[in-house]
Amino acid sequence: AQSVAQPEDQVNVAEGNPLTVKCTYSVSGNPYLFWYVQYPNRGLQFLLKYITGDNLVKGSYGFEAEFNKSQTSFHLKKPSALVSDSALYFCALRDVSNTGKLIFGQGTTLQVKP
Amino acid sequence: EAGVVQSPRYKIIEKKQPVAFWCNPISGHNTLYWYRQNLGQGPELLIRYENEEAVDDSQLPKDRFSAERLKGVDSTLKIQPAELGDSAVYLCASSDLERGQYFGPGTRLTVL
Repeated sequence: AQSVAQPEDQVNVAEGNPLTVKCTYSVSGNPYLFWYVQYPNRGLQFLLKYITGDNLVKGSYGFEAEFNKSQTSFHLKKPSALVSDSALYFCALRDVSNTGKLIFGQGTTLQVKP
Repeated sequence: EAGVVQSPRYKIIEKKQPVAFWCNPISGHNTLYWYRQNLGQGPELLIRYENEEAVDDSQLPKDRFSAERLKGVDSTLKIQPAELGDSAVYLCASSDLERGQYFGPGTRLTVL
């Protein structure tokens, strides 16, 4: 079965410090992985995706994600957090048997404090 | 470019009443999705359209939910009758081949 897990409900980090939001996945075959961000009362916004190629993927707003096949992980990272990065972050896996359907993790709330 | 448009943004109804949500996808996107997002959870797919054809509705509770996408553009999702457990945010998304899915702001439904 395909699944996505985000083991942390909330991540707290001080402004200016590096941040990591964790994601692990389970799938048979090659994974297509995504990160989305959701601000209050807003829809999900695409941050970045991994399809194939370089394990370090760069995305919007200075975010990047590291794909690790042996650990089945796709952690979201940013070298220096901003207060405005505070939001709800979702990791997602594209269903290998259904073109387009996304399977989401439960989300991680990122709180960046000044 | 204009994003995915959804209306209404908020809806409060009493149980057993009907409700409908509307979605206008990004121009040129042939694939349209409806997701339901319960509080504290990630979105879950309800139905996917390729043009006007529903190609995956396996997660749609067909006893009370229905959807249509006339002419392969706008889409409507309906619940009749609504139950307390239907309270959630209903997200519409459309996609292209480059970046994947673009999401609308959602409709927050509260069933009293």
